[in-house]
Formats: sequence, structure tokens, C-alpha cells
Amino acid sequence: ILNVEQSPQSLHVQEGDSTNFTCSFPSSNFYALHWYRWETAKSPEALFVMTLNGDEKKKGRISATLNTKEGYSYLYIKGSQPEDSATYLCASILTGGGNKLTFGTGTQLKVEL
Amino acid sequence: NAGVTQTPKFRVLKTGQSMTLLCAQDMNHEYMYWYRQDPGMGLRLIHYSVGEGTTAKGEVPDGYNVSRLKKQNFLLGLESAAPSQTSVYFCASVKGAIYNEQFFGPGTRLTVL
Repeated sequence: ILNVEQSPQSLHVQEGDSTNFTCSFPSSNFYALHWYRWETAKSPEALFVMTLNGDEKKKGRISATLNTKEGYSYLYIKGSQPEDSATYLCASILTGGGNKLTFGTGTQLKVEL
Repeated sequence: NAGVTQTPKFRVLKTGQSMTLLCAQDMNHEYMYWYRQDPGMGLRLIHYSVGEGTTAKGEVPDGYNVSRLKKQNFLLGLESAAPSQTSVYFCASVKGAIYNEQFFGPGTRLTVL
């Protein structure tokens, strides 16, 4: 993996469904992994910053896991609600890569009633 | 505490015109970033700054210049606008270490005719 890749590109779920997305990133020279939530017509807002292999973070119904050895992170949403509809971005920082994030193209989630 | 603000919110330019986008943050953050967001492309880094008086190129720097004369302000300049620079521009800032979360401004929608 040379770039940050996210899948699926888009997702439609019903209210109450649980869902998850994947972020794949370069595993060599890993430094940190960020998850952001981006609602339409707003700015991205940070959900999680993860740095350690095996890290698990949780915020309400949203949680994330990190595997730095194989270069992936999962974002889980339990019991999806319409207000969870947004684009979810992940971004990685590499050591020696400068002080910058490289973003994936995001997973667009639509939660329907 | 206004957070990260961007001026202007919208702008229409003709090809060849110049303009400057202003990003201001009142959180005393060290790092500041300029991104552009295009459909299907995610957020791409244009330029960034790790402190007052410093700037560095990101992923897509051509056609843009930046300056960070004051810690709280990060200016993005377009010397001769081109239609390919039609985009939504986001500024972000980070406190302390690069792995900390980024705080985003509300965005500037620029159209170049």
C-alpha cells in the first residue's frame, strides 16, 4: 500500500443497522492514524487519533481499531442513526514523511429511516 | 474563541486574476495547512507551515504561494488563477505535535471562469 485507501466508497444502511468501514495505509514508517467525520456543508471534525498497534478508541456508538503491522484500521458504528450520515475520512502520518497527513478519499455513509 | 476562520467564504475569479485567501486561528497553534477538496479526490495538501516564518510544499503546490508572517495567520495566494483551481479550499491548524487532531476552517469556495 503506497497511499491511504478507504472502502467502501459509499454505503447505504437502514436506521439501527451496525456498519463498519476500512482504511488501509502504508505500514512501514507508520506514525499516526486519524479518523474524521465530515458532514455535508460543514468542516471535517476529528473522531480519533490513534498511534499504537492494537489501539481501540470509542466515542459513543462509534469505535475504531488499529493494526499498524498490516496497515489497516476499522471504524465501527453501532445502531446507525440518520445523524450519522456523513463522509468518514481517515488519514495517516508517516515518520520521515514531513509534518503532514495523507487523506483517503473517504467513505460516504447514508443512514435511511 | 473563534477557532479557525477563513476569508472569503465564496469568490468568483476570471482566468488570470490573482487573489489571496486568509486563514486565521486564535488557538495559538503551531502548525497550519491549506488543502483543496475536489469531487472524488478527497483532501489534498497544497502547502503547510510548522511555525511562524516557515512554509513547505505539500502534494499539489503548483500555482499557489503561501506566507506565514504571523503565527495566527496563514495566507494562500493564487498569482494567476486558472479554471483547474476551481475548488473548495480548507485551512486547518494543529497544536503542539503533528499527530494531534487537525481543526478545520469552514472552507472557501472558489470558482475560476
